[in-house]
Amino acid sequence: EAGVTQFPSHSVIEKGQTVTLRCDPISGHDNLYWYRRVMGKEIKFLLHFVKESKQDESGMPNNRFLAERTGGTYSTLKVQPAELEDSGVYFCASSQAPWGLESQPARGEQFFGPGTRLTVL
Amino acid sequence: ILNVEQSPQSLHVQEGDSTNFTCSFPSSNFYALHWYRWETAKSPEALFVMTLNGDEKKKGRISATLNTKEGYSYLYIKGSQPEDSATYLCAFRGSTLGRLYFGRGTQLTVWP
Repeated sequence: EAGVTQFPSHSVIEKGQTVTLRCDPISGHDNLYWYRRVMGKEIKFLLHFVKESKQDESGMPNNRFLAERTGGTYSTLKVQPAELEDSGVYFCASSQAPWGLESQPARGEQFFGPGTRLTVL
Repeated sequence: ILNVEQSPQSLHVQEGDSTNFTCSFPSSNFYALHWYRWETAKSPEALFVMTLNGDEKKKGRISATLNTKEGYSYLYIKGSQPEDSATYLCAFRGSTLGRLYFGRGTQLTVWP
């Protein structure tokens, strides 16, 4: 079974430009999460989709960040315009709903992608 | 503000040494405690998800314990190998579908 995939793996842009990150969750996973790790800090939650709906977007830093999950499959995270402090590693994770038919090692386990390393110059 | 603390921040050991790290988290509204192993440029790899007070889990040479009443978890690695070198992350979860609150991680380096 394919894991969570993210594209691109790296992105280097200049301040003021726009970048769009993509996440493909594990097939059949209704829950999709975005997280971010700024260098030297902990991984922090950004938002959570259940299918195509935003369940919790309280971690989004400001209105320069826009996340979408049209059709409830893959998700995009757009940063426009990018600022220097947006640099970091953006992770995506997915999990099956607890009432899913598949068994899981533990309820709501989140499976992570390799991240997109964003550098804003 | 929900704080998850990990110690030590970094650790250097010789091959064959056993080692352990600590994760402390809020003891209220506990649902699960996750441990991940992360190598840069790779996906964080799930090691354990622990849900019950007193839980002990083992995966090869790695094991973990959980104390939800006092809010801490220990991760142990027995007979460390160079391939164990990675950052070990713990994360607190307060509900079934909820966000994870991560600590900053413990960066382990095992020298041959």
